[in-house]
Amino acid sequence: QQPVQSPQAVILREGEDAVINCSSSKALYSVHWYRQKHGEAPVFLMILLKGGEQKGHEKISASFNEKKQQSSLYLTASQLSYSGTYFCGTEEGSSNTGKLIFGQGTTLQVKP
Amino acid sequence: GAGVSQTPSNKVTEKGKYVELRCDPISGHTALYWYRQSLGQGPEFLIYFQGTGAADDSGLPNDRFFAVRPEGSVSTLKIQRTERGDSAVYLCASSLNGGWGDTQYFGPGTRLTVL
Repeated sequence: QQPVQSPQAVILREGEDAVINCSSSKALYSVHWYRQKHGEAPVFLMILLKGGEQKGHEKISASFNEKKQQSSLYLTASQLSYSGTYFCGTEEGSSNTGKLIFGQGTTLQVKP
Repeated sequence: GAGVSQTPSNKVTEKGKYVELRCDPISGHTALYWYRQSLGQGPEFLIYFQGTGAADDSGLPNDRFFAVRPEGSVSTLKIQRTERGDSAVYLCASSLNGGWGDTQYFGPGTRLTVL
């Protein structure tokens, strides 16, 4: 079951903050966040694991509510380089292969 | 070190033809994944290799799609009798060990266009 991301699109001015949400109907083991710029590979940002462990970018923060199967990515003091499409990929608890199921993406545009 | 590489970067073929897409993972990574990404969508899982074996091929859409990883490193995704609906960007990712919570690093993808 594909996770649902919200909002679908965000436009910010440099220095503003944004929150991107990811919600699943399945029990999750982890949530992975990626940023993809047009025509490029998805770039790893962060993993949030069941139990509270996090791995990833120092300048990006995120949360994972295991009970609600929801994750949020917090982008603070946004920079022009933050522009791109953000995807969450969920790892369901029923699978131990690392297979990720991705949301439809949230497009972020940061303007000067 | 070098990241995940994929060749070709672009492939244009005609309906009904056979194509092969290649993925070269990060050295030392035992796990390799193939995903397919259509325009405006997130990547869609196709198949996962742990070493030489396909541990999960539940995402392959039909038997026209096949992938191999004979020596546990480079992988080839093979598509027979291509259809226009196969047009997409095919992404490869690798991770150190595979399984829960392992970081997947993506390659730049192969853009397949079926005319």
